[in-house]
Amino acid sequence: DIQMTQSPSSLSASVGDRVTITCRASHSISTHLNWYQQKPGKAPDLLIYVASSLQSGVPSRFSGSGSGADFTLTISSLQPEDFATYYCQQTYSAPPTFGGGTKVEIK
Amino acid sequence: QVQLVQSGSELKKPGASVKVSCKTSGYTFTTYAMNWVRQAPGQGLEWMGWISISTGNPTYAQGFTGRFVFSLDTSISTAYLQITSLKAEDTAVYYCTRDAYRDCSSSTCFDYWGQGTLVTVSS
Repeated sequence: DIQMTQSPSSLSASVGDRVTITCRASHSISTHLNWYQQKPGKAPDLLIYVASSLQSGVPSRFSGSGSGADFTLTISSLQPEDFATYYCQQTYSAPPTFGGGTKVEIK
Repeated sequence: QVQLVQSGSELKKPGASVKVSCKTSGYTFTTYAMNWVRQAPGQGLEWMGWISISTGNPTYAQGFTGRFVFSLDTSISTAYLQITSLKAEDTAVYYCTRDAYRDCSSSTCFDYWGQGTLVTVSS
């Protein structure tokens, strides 16, 4: 199975900050990488697919980049509603595996 | 609009069985595969497997064979997850989620999710 490692596991940031979350795959996955946001008690929401495509309805302050084994999710200006846990997911090979998550908290 | 609505929370004793339903609406049920994802308390997301809506053929991830069964009732656009011989470690929130392969540039992505069903196993 392909292992997905996210860093950091948690971070504290202020409204308006630029936030970057990194996801590394144990093998090259091309661009078969998705990002999800999960708020407490809620199901995950798809933010980004194939590494850099913004899902419909997702604010443009979210962006994704990367290919191969290294990927980044960036929030250009953190908003109050962005405090949540973020997960990457590889879908290059079965089973599709998730990273351990990055919790974004209020500083 | 697309909706996946799951059945409510369950409290079960060890050894019992549970069946979670995922009723869909707002799209053609047979055109998107359905996946199941588990989230143990305070933990991350774990893919359990998927079922082809067109063929009914299930695929289970390692660790989810034997006691876990995916099924469908296409007449009511509903997917099911049954877990038998429940154990305390099965306590988790279980999500159904649609695979929007064709909508995600021919790459698997989970674009719609049910609200989750908490299954608690306790004596």
